[in-house]
Amino acid sequence: QKEVEQDPGPLSVPEGAIVSLNCTYSNSAFQYFMWYRQYSRKGPELLMYTYSSGNKEDGRFTAQVDKSSKYISLFIRDSQPSDSATYLCAMSNFGNEKLTFGTGTRLTIIP
Amino acid sequence: DAGVIQSPRHEVTEMGQEVTLRCKPISGHDYLFWYRQTMMRGLELLIYFNNNVPIDDSGMPEDRFSAKMPNASFSTLKIQPSEPRDSAVYFCASSSQGIGSNEQFFGPGTRLTVL
Repeated sequence: QKEVEQDPGPLSVPEGAIVSLNCTYSNSAFQYFMWYRQYSRKGPELLMYTYSSGNKEDGRFTAQVDKSSKYISLFIRDSQPSDSATYLCAMSNFGNEKLTFGTGTRLTIIP
Repeated sequence: DAGVIQSPRHEVTEMGQEVTLRCKPISGHDYLFWYRQTMMRGLELLIYFNNNVPIDDSGMPEDRFSAKMPNASFSTLKIQPSEPRDSAVYFCASSSQGIGSNEQFFGPGTRLTVL
């Protein structure tokens, strides 16, 4: 079993819909939780970063962490065609620069 | 800053040939990571360095793979001899412990095809 599990999709939704992306993990020592966005033929870029449990909102994006369930989510409101990309969750322990990535979910927003 | 720079962007080679991938991290970053990305396995960490010293190479698949970081501004990943199953996109990323967020900055990747 992988340390981080992520549904690879693909996921297609109409423009304007709310998108929910999720990851589960098994390592209870993870403290830092991130979402990276990767456009086709580009490198991943950090989208959201959360430390420990709770919610974080940035514009149309909301990241949630539930450490008791070992479950993290990324919500995208009012989705746009420009949101079409692969979304990767990533996690790390406190004091450890090494990130463990999910396999990524390919998202397409249909105009 | 130009960000993480990788070269070449594309590499097509024949089985058995030596392949060298290059990376220039962001100036001032003290961590450098090499990843491999495939559809089947996603993004896999191969090796990472701290202050030019290899810290964890447990992700390096075989002895055919080697990585060096001779100075703070340059790293190489070498595959010798290359095999078709090495075909993937190889990313280099760098980070700074001083940021505190563990954010890694990725380069554009090198798309390797081994025929």
